Amino acid sequence: AQKVTQAQTEISVVEKEDVTLDCVYETRDTTYYLFWYKQPPSGELVFLIRRNSFDEQNEISGRYSWNFQKSTSSFNFTITASQVVDSAVYFCALSSGGRDDMRFGAGTRLTVKP
Amino acid sequence: NAGVTQTPKFRILKIGQSMTLQCTQDMNHNYMYWYRQDPGMGLKLIYYSVGAGITDKGEVPNGYNVSRSTTEDFPLRLELAAPSQTSVYFCASSFGQQIEQYFGPGTRLTVT
Repeated sequence: AQKVTQAQTEISVVEKEDVTLDCVYETRDTTYYLFWYKQPPSGELVFLIRRNSFDEQNEISGRYSWNFQKSTSSFNFTITASQVVDSAVYFCALSSGGRDDMRFGAGTRLTVKP
Repeated sequence: NAGVTQTPKFRILKIGQSMTLQCTQDMNHNYMYWYRQDPGMGLKLIYYSVGAGITDKGEVPNGYNVSRSTTEDFPLRLELAAPSQTSVYFCASSFGQQIEQYFGPGTRLTVT
């Protein structure tokens, strides 16, 4: 079974603060892929990152960074020096075991106040 | 490239009515998906297709039907609308399995 838990329903920060969005996943498969998507107020989901289960290196892309830890089944997302434009709902997702589908977490709504 | 397009953007249905949500992609993707997004619940997969002529059920298929006669189009049919189908519906596509999906802008459906 695949499951993704995003325990933080809503987070509110002030601009320039750092913020970490948590994602915990469950799967019995050894090969799997993890994703993060952003859903801005316009509604369309935008792909941010994909990570496979054999690559535990952390990744940084500008102000965004991702911390993948298999030992705790977590794939957390950090935004450094947050900006108002980062306000959105962020989804973590999992696809495992050669399956064609993807399971999404419930999402975390991030509000960045000026 | 228009990417993934969905029509209509909004729709109000009465209980028992039927309708088709349209989805088209111009990226020549083999895989296409239909999700519904309920408040605070994330996205749940309704149906998906791995190529023209092939469809399969997702997590919440009841009350819906799909067809895939071409690579580009993947319509979602609601036969007897129920209030429980009030949701935002997203269509997505991807080039292959377990890689990033590209999403359409969504259709907000209300059944009253």
